Amino acid sequence: SQTIHQWPATLVQPVGSPLSLECTVEGTSNPNLYWYRQAAGRGLQLLFYSVGIGQISSEVPQNLSASRPQDRQFILSSKKLLLSDSGFYLCAWGRDRSSPLHFGNGTRLTVT
Amino acid sequence: QKEVEQDPGPLSVPEGAIVSLNCTYSNSAFQYFMWYRQYSRKGPELLMYTYSSGNKEDGRFTAQVDKSSKYISLFIRDSQPSDSATYLCVRREYGNKLVFGAGTILRVKS
Repeated sequence: SQTIHQWPATLVQPVGSPLSLECTVEGTSNPNLYWYRQAAGRGLQLLFYSVGIGQISSEVPQNLSASRPQDRQFILSSKKLLLSDSGFYLCAWGRDRSSPLHFGNGTRLTVT
Repeated sequence: QKEVEQDPGPLSVPEGAIVSLNCTYSNSAFQYFMWYRQYSRKGPELLMYTYSSGNKEDGRFTAQVDKSSKYISLFIRDSQPSDSATYLCVRREYGNKLVFGAGTILRVKS
Protein backbone atom coordinates (compact mmCIF):
# COMPACT_ATOMS: atom_id res chain seq x y z
CA SER A 1 0.00 0.00 0.00
CA GLN A 2 1.02 3.59 -0.51
CA THR A 3 2.13 5.83 2.32
CA ILE A 4 3.16 9.45 2.46
CA HIS A 5 5.55 10.90 5.02
CA GLN A 6 6.01 14.52 5.95
CA TRP A 7 8.40 16.03 8.41
CA PRO A 8 8.81 17.74 10.71
CA ALA A 9 5.36 17.75 12.29
CA THR A 10 5.90 21.14 13.90
CA LEU A 11 8.46 23.83 13.32
CA VAL A 12 9.13 27.23 14.86
CA GLN A 13 11.44 29.47 12.88
CA PRO A 14 12.47 33.13 13.20
CA VAL A 15 11.71 35.64 10.48
CA GLY A 16 14.42 35.68 7.85
CA SER A 17 15.54 32.10 8.44
CA PRO A 18 15.52 29.46 5.69
CA LEU A 19 12.98 26.65 5.43
CA SER A 20 13.05 23.11 4.14
CA LEU A 21 10.08 20.77 4.45
CA GLU A 22 10.33 17.30 3.04
CA CYS A 23 7.75 14.86 1.76
CA THR A 24 8.25 11.31 0.51
CA VAL A 25 5.85 8.77 -0.92
CA GLU A 26 6.23 5.00 -0.74
CA GLY A 27 4.54 2.22 -2.65
CA THR A 28 3.98 3.94 -5.96
CA SER A 29 6.03 5.29 -8.84
CA ASN A 30 5.81 8.53 -10.78
CA PRO A 31 3.11 10.05 -8.57
CA ASN A 32 1.81 13.55 -8.99
CA LEU A 33 2.93 15.51 -5.94
CA TYR A 34 1.41 18.62 -4.38
CA TRP A 35 2.09 21.20 -1.69
CA TYR A 36 -0.91 22.88 -0.08
CA ARG A 37 -1.26 25.45 2.68
CA GLN A 38 -4.25 25.42 4.99
CA ALA A 39 -5.30 28.54 6.87
CA ALA A 40 -7.93 28.53 9.61
CA GLY A 41 -11.43 29.05 8.25
CA ARG A 42 -10.29 28.82 4.64
CA GLY A 43 -10.05 26.08 2.05
CA LEU A 44 -6.73 24.52 1.13
CA GLN A 45 -4.62 26.63 -1.16
CA LEU A 46 -2.51 24.90 -3.79
CA LEU A 47 1.08 26.16 -3.75
CA PHE A 48 2.97 23.83 -6.10
CA TYR A 49 2.46 20.62 -8.01
CA SER A 50 4.77 18.29 -9.87
CA VAL A 51 4.07 15.63 -12.49
CA GLY A 52 7.66 14.36 -12.61
CA ILE A 53 11.26 14.81 -11.51
CA GLY A 54 12.35 18.39 -11.94
CA GLN A 55 8.91 19.49 -13.16
CA ILE A 56 7.38 22.09 -10.86
CA SER A 57 4.34 24.27 -11.44
CA SER A 58 3.68 27.21 -9.16
CA GLU A 59 0.13 28.28 -8.49
CA VAL A 60 0.77 31.23 -6.21
CA PRO A 61 3.68 33.69 -6.54
CA GLN A 62 5.25 34.02 -3.11
CA ASN A 63 8.25 33.59 -0.91
CA LEU A 64 8.35 29.81 -1.35
CA SER A 65 9.80 27.39 -3.87
CA ALA A 66 9.55 23.66 -4.46
CA SER A 67 11.83 21.01 -5.88
CA ARG A 68 11.51 17.36 -6.83
CA PRO A 69 14.99 15.85 -6.84
CA GLN A 70 13.73 12.24 -6.90
CA ASP A 71 10.61 10.52 -8.17
CA ARG A 72 8.97 10.23 -4.75
CA GLN A 73 10.50 13.20 -2.95
CA PHE A 74 9.05 16.69 -2.85
CA ILE A 75 10.65 19.58 -0.99
CA LEU A 76 9.21 22.95 -0.03
CA SER A 77 11.77 25.68 0.63
CA SER A 78 12.25 29.29 1.42
CA LYS A 79 15.42 31.37 1.60
CA LYS A 80 13.97 33.89 4.06
CA LEU A 81 10.77 33.26 5.96
CA LEU A 82 8.15 35.94 6.50
CA LEU A 83 5.60 36.13 9.30
CA SER A 84 2.91 35.51 6.70
CA ASP A 85 4.45 32.13 5.89
CA SER A 86 3.08 30.71 9.13
CA GLY A 87 0.50 28.00 8.53
CA PHE A 88 -0.23 24.33 8.13
CA TYR A 89 1.56 22.85 5.13
CA LEU A 90 0.30 19.67 3.56
CA CYS A 91 1.92 17.41 1.01
CA ALA A 92 -0.29 15.19 -1.14
CA TRP A 93 0.05 12.66 -3.93
CA GLY A 94 -2.22 11.36 -6.66
CA ARG A 95 -1.82 8.63 -9.28
CA ASP A 96 -2.46 11.14 -12.04
CA ARG A 97 -3.93 14.59 -12.38
CA SER A 98 -7.53 13.38 -12.34
CA SER A 99 -7.23 11.03 -9.32
CA PRO A 100 -8.24 11.89 -5.75
CA LEU A 101 -5.43 13.15 -3.56
CA HIS A 102 -3.95 11.49 -0.49
CA PHE A 103 -2.47 13.79 2.11
CA GLY A 104 0.34 13.56 4.61
CA ASN A 105 -0.14 14.67 8.20
CA GLY A 106 1.21 18.12 7.61
CA THR A 107 3.74 20.48 9.14
CA ARG A 108 2.63 23.24 11.48
CA LEU A 109 4.98 26.14 10.77
CA THR A 110 5.14 29.13 13.08
CA VAL A 111 7.32 32.05 12.05
CA THR A 112 8.20 34.28 14.98
CA GLN B 1 -18.56 34.43 -3.63
CA LYS B 2 -16.71 31.30 -2.56
CA GLU B 3 -16.92 28.52 -5.12
CA VAL B 4 -17.60 25.84 -2.49
CA GLU B 5 -19.47 26.89 0.64
CA GLN B 6 -19.78 24.98 3.88
CA ASP B 7 -21.27 25.94 7.21
CA PRO B 8 -18.25 26.07 9.54
CA GLY B 9 -20.19 24.70 12.52
CA PRO B 10 -19.45 23.36 14.99
CA LEU B 11 -22.26 20.88 14.59
CA SER B 12 -22.86 19.00 17.84
CA VAL B 13 -24.87 15.78 17.91
CA PRO B 14 -25.39 12.93 20.39
CA GLU B 15 -23.82 9.56 19.72
CA GLY B 16 -25.99 7.43 17.43
CA ALA B 17 -27.57 10.38 15.63
CA ILE B 18 -27.76 10.72 11.86
CA VAL B 19 -25.52 13.56 10.75
CA SER B 20 -26.10 15.65 7.64
CA LEU B 21 -23.19 17.75 6.38
CA ASN B 22 -23.91 20.07 3.49
CA CYS B 23 -22.05 21.91 0.81
CA THR B 24 -23.13 24.23 -2.00
CA TYR B 25 -21.23 25.23 -5.10
CA SER B 26 -21.55 28.01 -7.64
CA ASN B 27 -19.89 26.66 -10.79
CA SER B 28 -21.83 24.04 -12.74
CA ALA B 29 -18.87 22.46 -14.48
CA PHE B 30 -17.25 19.66 -12.51
CA GLN B 31 -15.76 16.22 -12.83
CA TYR B 32 -16.57 14.89 -9.40
CA PHE B 33 -16.91 15.68 -5.73
CA MET B 34 -14.98 14.37 -2.77
CA TRP B 35 -15.43 14.37 0.97
CA TYR B 36 -12.41 14.40 3.24
CA ARG B 37 -12.28 13.94 7.01
CA GLN B 38 -9.61 15.82 8.95
CA TYR B 39 -8.78 15.17 12.57
CA SER B 40 -7.14 17.89 14.59
CA ARG B 41 -3.48 18.42 13.65
CA LYS B 42 -3.67 15.74 10.94
CA GLY B 43 -3.89 15.73 7.18
CA PRO B 44 -7.23 15.26 5.37
CA GLU B 45 -8.27 11.66 4.76
CA LEU B 46 -10.32 10.77 1.68
CA LEU B 47 -13.74 9.42 2.63
CA MET B 48 -15.67 9.23 -0.61
CA TYR B 49 -15.87 10.60 -4.11
CA THR B 50 -18.77 10.60 -6.50
CA TYR B 51 -19.01 11.43 -10.18
CA SER B 52 -22.69 11.88 -10.73
CA SER B 53 -25.95 12.95 -9.24
CA GLY B 54 -27.63 10.62 -6.82
CA ASN B 55 -26.39 8.66 -3.84
CA LYS B 56 -23.22 6.72 -3.16
CA GLU B 57 -23.01 4.61 -0.04
CA ASP B 58 -19.98 3.26 1.84
CA GLY B 59 -20.69 1.70 5.21
CA ARG B 60 -22.16 4.35 7.51
CA PHE B 61 -21.46 7.11 5.01
CA THR B 62 -23.66 8.25 2.13
CA ALA B 63 -22.70 10.99 -0.31
CA GLN B 64 -25.48 12.72 -2.21
CA VAL B 65 -25.18 15.11 -5.16
CA ASP B 66 -28.03 17.24 -6.45
CA LYS B 67 -26.79 19.00 -9.58
CA SER B 68 -30.03 20.87 -10.15
CA SER B 69 -29.74 22.69 -6.85
CA LYS B 70 -25.90 22.59 -6.73
CA TYR B 71 -26.08 20.90 -3.36
CA ILE B 72 -23.87 18.15 -1.95
CA SER B 73 -24.48 16.24 1.26
CA LEU B 74 -22.65 13.70 3.38
CA PHE B 75 -24.79 11.62 5.73
CA ILE B 76 -23.29 9.70 8.62
CA ARG B 77 -25.48 7.04 10.23
CA ASP B 78 -25.06 5.86 13.80
CA SER B 79 -22.52 8.60 14.48
CA GLN B 80 -19.68 7.81 16.87
CA PRO B 81 -17.39 10.03 18.98
CA SER B 82 -14.59 8.93 16.63
CA ASP B 83 -16.44 10.73 13.81
CA SER B 84 -15.66 14.04 15.53
CA ALA B 85 -13.54 15.89 12.99
CA THR B 86 -13.65 18.56 10.32
CA TYR B 87 -15.28 17.46 7.05
CA LEU B 88 -14.08 19.05 3.83
CA CYS B 89 -16.15 19.19 0.66
CA VAL B 90 -14.05 19.32 -2.52
CA ARG B 91 -15.02 19.79 -6.14
CA ARG B 92 -12.76 18.72 -9.00
CA GLU B 93 -13.35 20.81 -12.07
CA TYR B 94 -12.55 19.97 -15.65
CA GLY B 95 -8.89 20.84 -16.09
CA ASN B 96 -8.24 19.07 -12.78
CA LYS B 97 -8.51 22.11 -10.55
CA LEU B 98 -9.52 21.21 -7.01
CA VAL B 99 -11.72 23.64 -5.10
CA PHE B 100 -11.86 23.06 -1.35
CA GLY B 101 -14.52 24.17 1.07
CA ALA B 102 -13.31 25.54 4.40
CA GLY B 103 -14.84 22.58 6.24
CA THR B 104 -17.52 21.84 8.82
CA ILE B 105 -16.54 20.93 12.38
CA LEU B 106 -18.51 17.95 13.71
CA ARG B 107 -18.65 16.98 17.38
CA VAL B 108 -20.30 13.72 18.39
CA LYS B 109 -20.94 13.54 22.13
CA SER B 110 -21.05 10.24 23.99
